[in-house]
Amino acid sequence: QITLKESGPTLVKPTQTLTLTCTFSGFSLNNNSLSVGWIRQPPGKALEWLALIYWNDDKRYSPSLMGRLTITKNSSKNQVVLTMTNMDPVDTATYYCARRVRRFPDHTNWFDPWGQGTLVTVSS
Amino acid sequence: DIQMTQSPSSLSASVGDRVTITCRASQSISRYLNWYQQKPGQAPKLLIYAAFSLQSGVPSRFSASGSGTDFTLTISSLQPEDFATYYCQQSYTFPWTFGQGIKVE
Repeated sequence: QITLKESGPTLVKPTQTLTLTCTFSGFSLNNNSLSVGWIRQPPGKALEWLALIYWNDDKRYSPSLMGRLTITKNSSKNQVVLTMTNMDPVDTATYYCARRVRRFPDHTNWFDPWGQGTLVTVSS
Repeated sequence: DIQMTQSPSSLSASVGDRVTITCRASQSISRYLNWYQQKPGQAPKLLIYAAFSLQSGVPSRFSASGSGTDFTLTISSLQPEDFATYYCQQSYTFPWTFGQGIKVE
């Protein structure tokens, strides 16, 4: 069974740095067809992709948040960590991690499954 | 960024109805299009990947089609458990982007 679970603070103050951990099981990030991504969803709004980390430590970030995001992995612990600096109330959202699957040979890819999400509120 | 626009903006339907949701990309994305279902208080769930492939375990009343810029998700006979919000997502190029979501109510 493949599971992912997000953990981290539920409340952060403006200007602080948010650190979220995604702990997963049932798959390995040593597999070149798999990676882990982060997606967020402000209350009542749409989904927004944030970052992705590949099996080989390659990384991709949302340009709109570039410079604020860092994604890292610890394959031996089956964890992926997202840090976001300079938090603002507009960053209040549910943050999800998800496994990204890539199919060969057409390289189509998708998120499945998703973690349950963690609500992060930014407020003083 | 590739913009993903879903329509209609809202959808009112009844059990047994045939429901069609459209997703349009601002540029061609080939078949790099996925559909997710999200129920209140839950994480999104993958329904369709690569434009028309049904994810394992998803009922066959769900189907999808399209390529390039225009895509559709169809529920052939709406069931009570299908009342949810549906999102399309392109994975053709970074940044990956989602549609605004369509709530079926």
